[in-house]
Parts: sequence; structure tokens; C-alpha cells
Amino acid sequence: DIVMTQTPLSSPVTLGQPASISCRSSQSLVHTDGNTYLSWLHQRPGQPPRLLIYTISNRFSGVPDRFSGSGAGTDFTLKISRVEAEDVGVYYCMQATQSVTFGQGTKVEIK
Amino acid sequence: QVQLEESGPGLVRPSQTLALTCTVSGDSITSDDYYWSWIRQHPGRDLEWIGYIYYSGGTFYNPSLRSRATISLDTSKNQFSLKLTSVTAADTAMYYCVGGGNNYGLIVYWGQGTLVTVSS
Repeated sequence: DIVMTQTPLSSPVTLGQPASISCRSSQSLVHTDGNTYLSWLHQRPGQPPRLLIYTISNRFSGVPDRFSGSGAGTDFTLKISRVEAEDVGVYYCMQATQSVTFGQGTKVEIK
Repeated sequence: QVQLEESGPGLVRPSQTLALTCTVSGDSITSDDYYWSWIRQHPGRDLEWIGYIYYSGGTFYNPSLRSRATISLDTSKNQFSLKLTSVTAADTAMYYCVGGGNNYGLIVYWGQGTLVTVSS
């Protein structure tokens, strides 16, 4: 299995300030078709996760442009340029290159 | 917009079979390139992918659950289902059905989830 490791596991942030979450995979996520199936999900309390970013850096429909994804190979980052109150919750990285596995989640809360 | 809704018993006895159904609306379950997955979330926050069924019927499972899980399609009802045999307390979790295309990394549209408790 590909193991996904996120840091930090908890991130207190100030409204209006940037936030960043890192995700590292135990092996390269480059698929034989040339794509890298690394996604980011956001889960608010009591709700299912929702897709934010797919294939490293593509924002899904309706996702605000303050969210951005970057990285390659085994190291990836999700950035929020200016945190808003609705951004609290748990963020997960996920890979679908080989089977499907998730990171442990990073809890984002307002200071 | 694809919408998914899980249904099934909320309580299952140990050693019995967990059976859940996902009803899909907004698109056909046989639409090209769609993958239909089951994912569970244990109390706390860990997410665990159980497996998927491709729109054409092919399946792929998490190796750790392959011996107990079966996912199937019912094209006449636009549904897909999960059966998990020989359940224990460790199978207590929120179960989500999820759909998505390969271009989006398979995991796109989520149901609201259904809580399944394994207890006698």
C-alpha cells in the first residue's frame, strides 16, 4: 500500500492569514499513464468530505481560488491564501494512482 | 450533478453480513468512465477505501478487505451495493458511497453516509 503522511496534524490559523498543509507519499504517485492522481478533500463536522483539488493542482467545480495545490512525485502541498471561517475542518490528501489511500487528516481551526 | 444516497441497516450482529445500497441520481450508473466506490470512516477520522466497481462491472478491492467485500451493480435501479461478510466491532463506521471519473481521481461525489454499528 502507498502510505500518505500529512503534516501538521493540527493547524491553528488566524482569519485572513495563509495556511499550508503538506502531504508525502511512500512512493511516487506518477501513474503509468503520466498523470499523478493526488487529490485534496475537505470535511466539515457532520458532513461527508468534498473534493477540492484533483491531479495535484486542478480545482474542482465551485472551489474558491484561494485554494491551490502543488507538488510532484512524492511531495505535495495544499495552500489556502487567506483563511475564511468556512475553511475550518479536516483536510485529507488522497492518492488513486495505486489503489486508493488517504492521509491521516489535518485539522484546521481558527485561533 | 451526480447525487448518491446510502441505505441499509444501522445495526448488524457480529459474524453477520453487512449489506448497503447506494442509489445514484443525476446520471446513469453505466456512464462512460465512472468508478463507484465504498469508503468508510471509523470514529475519529481515518478514511478507508473498501473498493470500487467500474461502470462496465469490473471490481477492485482494498487488499485488506478483499476476502470479505463484494461490490455489485444493479443497472435496472441505477444502484450499486456493498456486502461485507463476517463483521466484527472493528467494522463499525460511517459508510459512504462515492462516484467519480478517472480524470478527477475517482473520488468526486459523496453520499451523506450511513452509520453502521456492529454489536450484539
